[in-house]
Amino acid sequence: GQNIDQPTEMTATEGAIVQINCTYQTSGFNGLFWYQQHAGEAPTFLSYNVLDGLEEKGRFSSFLSRSKGYSYLLLKELQMKDSASYLCAVREDSGGYNKLIFGAGTRLAVHP
Amino acid sequence: DAGITQSPRYKITETGRQVTLMCHQTWSHSYMFWYRQDLGHGLRLIYYSAAADITDKGEVPDGYVVSRSKTENFPLTLESATRSQTSVYFCATGGWGEQYFGPGTRLTVT
Repeated sequence: GQNIDQPTEMTATEGAIVQINCTYQTSGFNGLFWYQQHAGEAPTFLSYNVLDGLEEKGRFSSFLSRSKGYSYLLLKELQMKDSASYLCAVREDSGGYNKLIFGAGTRLAVHP
Repeated sequence: DAGITQSPRYKITETGRQVTLMCHQTWSHSYMFWYRQDLGHGLRLIYYSAAADITDKGEVPDGYVVSRSKTENFPLTLESATRSQTSVYFCATGGWGEQYFGPGTRLTVT
């Protein structure tokens, strides 16, 4: 089966750096995705990792270690608008069929 | 260019009623998905469709019916609504990874 764990809530200060961790257990791993979801809105795609290492996109970076079943999303120079939930999602290839499994999300509160 | 839209945005219905949630996309993406989002559970896949007239079950399909007669539309029907189906429903297009979500429908079953 699949299991994705993320912290439920985190708080951080404007201008700081925050790291949101995601651990997963799955067979047929075929990629990891991060989404951002502001309260009352739809999720929006942030990043994608399929190989080990760091992917940087502006203030956001995402890291993957497939051997450890671990990823993190790094947010730099935090802004108030970064207050949102961050969803980790794992794509699993099960016998030729793809699945995308979402974690429950991490609610990040950025305060002044 | 609206992209992906859902209607209604809010719906209150009674237990036992049939209700249909609509999803429309303007991108002509092959894949479309229906998710429900509940506190503590994240997004859970209800049904998906790989193309017109091709649909398949996701993780939590019981109590739901879908159809896809046209590429751009993917309605979700609750045949006999139950209180446990109170949730926020998101439609999405794209692929198995980067997906584009509609604004959601908040459904309350009383």
